[in-house]
Amino acid sequence: GQQVMQIPQYQHVQEGEDFTTYCNSSTTLSNIQWYKQRPGGHPVFLIQLVKSGEVKKQKRLTFQFGEAKKNSSLHITATQTTDVGTYFCAGQAGTALIFGKGTTLSVSS
Amino acid sequence: DTGVSQDPRHKITKRGQNVTFRCDPISEHNRLYWYRQTLGQGPEFLTYFQNEAQLEKSRLLSDRFSAERPKGSFSTLEIQRTEQGDSAMYLCASSSYIGAQYFGPGTRLLVL
Repeated sequence: GQQVMQIPQYQHVQEGEDFTTYCNSSTTLSNIQWYKQRPGGHPVFLIQLVKSGEVKKQKRLTFQFGEAKKNSSLHITATQTTDVGTYFCAGQAGTALIFGKGTTLSVSS
Repeated sequence: DTGVSQDPRHKITKRGQNVTFRCDPISEHNRLYWYRQTLGQGPEFLTYFQNEAQLEKSRLLSDRFSAERPKGSFSTLEIQRTEQGDSAMYLCASSSYIGAQYFGPGTRLLVL
């Protein structure tokens, strides 16, 4: 079945450093979504990418969708302690979302 | 509207008992999803409703699991004859289109 893989699994950074997480799908995706889950919380929708090669920015967050629509990345510039949490990518497979295992980001000040 | 709500937030049960969870989606959303999440994993899709129709079920969904959405509003997820492996966070999400899904706070199930 379809699989979505994310790397790295964990990342620790000093506040102010940049952070990137990568997502790869075993199949071509119609779209990819990114979610953030704070410790003890539930996933919160961040963004959806639909077009091949699409790049979207939300303040310090930059999201990219690969040309082949099989990979994606999330880059955070100048991390802050509020960025702490697990970032999931999710590929659309019909109506179901297939989530990766996530990248857990910790930030020390 | 304050978002997706789920009840109960926590449930402890003994192996072999039946449990039922409720999800109230965002009122204008006609699509509703159930997921299961275990520690260190992403949410795993269980089933999907559009209005009152259950349109998709994961092949991983055991026959002990059943879900309903009788009037196209709230939904229930029942697990019969619970097993220790059912211990997980059960998440409900809703959406108005195939795209952004809005998750509830989840029901954490512990089967002893």
